Amino acid sequence: DTAVSQTPKYLVTQMGNDKSIKCEQNLGHDTMYWYKQDSKKFLKIMFSYNNKELIINETVPNRFSPKSPDKAHLNLHINSLELGDSAVYFCASSEPGHSYEQYFGPGTRLTVT
Amino acid sequence: GNSVTQMEGPVTLSEEAFLTINCTYTATGYPSLFWYVQYPGEGLQLLLKATKADDKGSNKGFEATYRKETTSFHLEKGSVQVSDSAVYFCALGDSWGKLQFGAGTQVVVTP
Repeated sequence: DTAVSQTPKYLVTQMGNDKSIKCEQNLGHDTMYWYKQDSKKFLKIMFSYNNKELIINETVPNRFSPKSPDKAHLNLHINSLELGDSAVYFCASSEPGHSYEQYFGPGTRLTVT
Repeated sequence: GNSVTQMEGPVTLSEEAFLTINCTYTATGYPSLFWYVQYPGEGLQLLLKATKADDKGSNKGFEATYRKETTSFHLEKGSVQVSDSAVYFCALGDSWGKLQFGAGTQVVVTP
């Protein structure tokens, strides 16, 4: 059973396009996250939702818009893609609170050409 | 703000060697500390965690102790295997559940 799943695994697209990445978790967690991992493996949080409500919104261009239709799903929509958006995007989920581990999805490798 | 600093890689070791990856942090309050591991082509997996000072996290032969006095959470393993080759991330969890990651340390274990 996959705990946190993401689709697609690979996404190749051209500059200026709009794309979405989907994330689902079957762990019953209340909190979900999006992270971006750059080519040097550096990981940075982008957004966090708790029970469909946005609680963390880091300094991310407003071309990135998360959407949480229910607490098991957190999708990421990106408008007007740029070369610098190329990265691996990870979804994660956890129970709320600082002591709970986060469970990560397998990642979506986005390449913008 | 919170930050995590870990030693740069790559760290190259022979099988059965001793591994240490240094991690220090700055934080307000009382964060939790984590080590995550990322195998090639995969997402991150929790390796171990500690939620308060002097706690020791351990898993799969890896250990790390939450040292408040030195603000450190160094990862150690006594005898590494080729299968331990991966990128290791130290992370700090704040009261909002947000994880602040270190830059990651690539470990390469050769037979």
